[in-house]
Amino acid sequence: DVKVTQSSRYLVKRTGEKVFLECVQDMDHENMFWYRQDPGLGLRLIYFSYDVKMKEKGDIPEGYSVSREKKERFSLILESASTNQTSMYLCASSPGGEKLFFGSGTQLSVL
Amino acid sequence: GNSVTQMEGPVTLSEEAFLTINCTYTATGYPSLFWYVQYPGEGLQLLLKATKADDKGSNKGFEATYRKETTSFHLEKGSVQVSDSAVYFCALSPNTGRRALTFGSGTRLQVQP
Repeated sequence: DVKVTQSSRYLVKRTGEKVFLECVQDMDHENMFWYRQDPGLGLRLIYFSYDVKMKEKGDIPEGYSVSREKKERFSLILESASTNQTSMYLCASSPGGEKLFFGSGTQLSVL
Repeated sequence: GNSVTQMEGPVTLSEEAFLTINCTYTATGYPSLFWYVQYPGEGLQLLLKATKADDKGSNKGFEATYRKETTSFHLEKGSVQVSDSAVYFCALSPNTGRRALTFGSGTRLQVQP
């Protein structure tokens, strides 16, 4: 089975901190994605990557950056966390078709 | 741009009731359409998909038909179970341009015994 692992299930950070959310997939997928999930808004795409060292902005990239130094790992970075970035963050990977495999999510609280 | 609109929840049903969750979309061209399901404490997983007009996707007793004329992809199940309680997301993938899924806001289904 495909496994997408997010490093933390719950995180609590303070305003202004630099935050790293890590995601690792074990199936050699080309494509990886970061979404945030908020009540009433569904999933919104933050960034995605089609290859190592490649990244593209999604619909809400402001306040975020990403890093993909290795194929299996896709990191989401909050340079200076703010309270409006409190959310559930979901990582997903895909072999190139349209079926996404999701991790179980990281619930981030910024105080 | 592309968008997906779902009926608001929660939807509360008794076991063995008929389920419909409405989904409509806006997109250029001919997108592929999906339903994903998120069980409590888990990530999303693909439930079913349809890639062209009049296609019917089905899985685990759930069905949805791609209706180009009404830009809809409503999810149905004839007899729900308590284990179907989850959040259901409708999504689309455009067949040109950026190949990333656009999701609806999700509909929570609660099935009572």
